[in-house]
Parts: sequence; C-alpha cells; structure tokens
Amino acid sequence: SAVISQKPSRDICQRGTSLTIQCQVDSQVTMMFWYRQQPGQSLTLIATANQGSEATYESGFVIDKFPISRPNLTFSTLTVSNMSPEDSSIYLCSVSTGWVGRELFFGEGSRLTVL
Amino acid sequence: GDSVTQMEGPVTLSEEAFLTINCTYTATGYPSLFWYVQYPGEGLQLLLKATKADDKGSNKGFEATYRKETTSFHLEKGSVQVSDSAVYFCALSGRDNNDMRFGAGTRLTVKP
Repeated sequence: SAVISQKPSRDICQRGTSLTIQCQVDSQVTMMFWYRQQPGQSLTLIATANQGSEATYESGFVIDKFPISRPNLTFSTLTVSNMSPEDSSIYLCSVSTGWVGRELFFGEGSRLTVL
Repeated sequence: GDSVTQMEGPVTLSEEAFLTINCTYTATGYPSLFWYVQYPGEGLQLLLKATKADDKGSNKGFEATYRKETTSFHLEKGSVQVSDSAVYFCALSGRDNNDMRFGAGTRLTVKP
C-alpha cells in the first residue's frame, strides 16, 4: 500500500489565478496519476505523471492548462492555470505500486472552488 | 476503448436490506476489476478487487464475482448498515495500460 498526502486539502481561488497542488507519497511508486472529480460526478483521468519527462495527457486536457511535474518517484505537482468557475472540482492524486492491472491508491483530494 | 457502465442510483435502503449494484464493462483482453468506496468528505478507498475470470473479491461483507461471460462485476451485500452509506465506484484496469477507468458512481443511503 501507499500513504498519499495532498496539499492543499481545499482552497478558494479567484478567477484568472493559478494554483499548484502537491502530492507526496511515503514510498517510491511506479505510476502517478491525476484525476478530476467534478461535483457529483465520477473520476476523469487528467494525465499520467512521468518521472523526469513530460506528462501524458488524456483527450481534453492540455499542458498549458494543467502543467504537471514529477521530479522523483515520490512527488508530483499539478497546477490549474488561469482558473475559471468551471475548474471547481476535487483533484485527486493516485499512485500504483505495481504495473498493469494493479489497484490504485488515492489521496484525500484537493477541493478547489473558483469564484 | 475500455469503459465501465454502472447503475447510477441513488439507492436508498433500510438497514439490514440486501444490496446489489450492477456493473458491466467493455475491455480488450482481460482487465482487472475493482470496487472503490468514497465516504462523505473522504478520498477513494479500495473495497475489493478481482484480477481474473471467476475470481470473487470480498471485504467488509461485500462481494463481487468477475463474470467474463456476462462482462459483469456486480457488488452485493447481504445486510447493509447505516455506516455503509457512501458512493461506490466500479473500475477497471486494462492489461495494456496503467491507468484506471471508473463508472459513474452509485450513491447509497442506508436508513435506520
């Protein structure tokens, strides 16, 4: 298993600003992912955070809007840029300690409200 | 691509009632299947999993069997409690990729 800490746990932001969310894992992990959960909705994968290289983004998500870093095997950041009210969501960091077919472990999420 | 279709609900039951939440999937090959639970104000927790056909995952009185012939992974519990009130997500992880696809989620409310 893995213990995941996300910061901030919640924030209220102004339109047009940017916010960086941090994800710290207590052990080295193979894969790190960022998901978005809009109010009352399911989880949507934003991107896979790749160590030392550019993240792999899903359709509908772009690097300019959601830049991601992963400098090592235990840490990643997601930035939500130029925010609008439509970006109000819970952003979840998740990790896998194995390879294909293994379960994901989730942080408690970062709840962003954009005014 | 891979996908999961889940009974959306919401579902409201009385304590000690029987629970079934339906989940079917579409995938190439043989994915691993999961049920996650999200309690109010918390992140997702793995409830149970199955990695191959006919496997039965179980935890906290919940069960789900990986049915390849019907591409299903329905969640069941014989007697629900108020503390089971949460949102339940069915998910799959394919053999050819590392990410996970989630169903829409089913909100369960159990009344005393």
